Amino acid sequence: ELKVEQNPLFLSMQEGKNYTIYCNYSTTSDRLYWYRQDPGKSLESLFVLLSNGAVKQEGRLMASLDTKARLSTLHITAAVHDLSATYFCAVDWDNYGQNFVFGPGTRLSVLP
Amino acid sequence: DAEITQSPRHKITETGRQVTLACHQTWNHNNMFWYRQDLGHGLRLIHYSYGVQDTNKGEVSDGYSVSRSNTEDLPLTLESAASSQTSVYFCASSDSLAGVITDTQYFGPGTRLTVL
Repeated sequence: ELKVEQNPLFLSMQEGKNYTIYCNYSTTSDRLYWYRQDPGKSLESLFVLLSNGAVKQEGRLMASLDTKARLSTLHITAAVHDLSATYFCAVDWDNYGQNFVFGPGTRLSVLP
Repeated sequence: DAEITQSPRHKITETGRQVTLACHQTWNHNNMFWYRQDLGHGLRLIHYSYGVQDTNKGEVSDGYSVSRSNTEDLPLTLESAASSQTSVYFCASSDSLAGVITDTQYFGPGTRLTVL
């Protein structure tokens, strides 16, 4: 059974600080996705990582994938309040289709 | 603009009733998915479809069914609603090119279902 873990589950940080969210998974996969969810809203796609060593950046967020370590990171640079949300990673384990297992989510609060 | 919609957005029903949640996408995506989101469990896959007439069970399919008669729609039916099915339900879709799926899944706005 594929398990996807995230840590931390809750993160409170001050504006301007840097931090990293970790996503570990238990089976071989080279396809990993990051999503953002605001309270009461749907999921918004942030990054699609499709190979070992993939790195994607958008604004203050940067995601990377190490398939050998079964680890993805979401790095936040100089956090701002607008980044407050819950962040999910999802691992696609299906070689013949698309079958996501989501992590539990990391709830991020950026304080002034 | 292409989009994915869900209806109703909110639904209250009684135990034992049959309920159908609609999902409609205008991207012409082959792949469609239904998830439920619950506190403490994250998002869990209920059913999915890779094309017309194709349906597959996900992690938590008991008590749910789907059918895919066209590309745009994947309705989710709760055969006999139970209080344990109170949740937020999300539909998603994604594309595949020559059988290779490389794109992300795009999520609908969600349906909040309460079973009393």
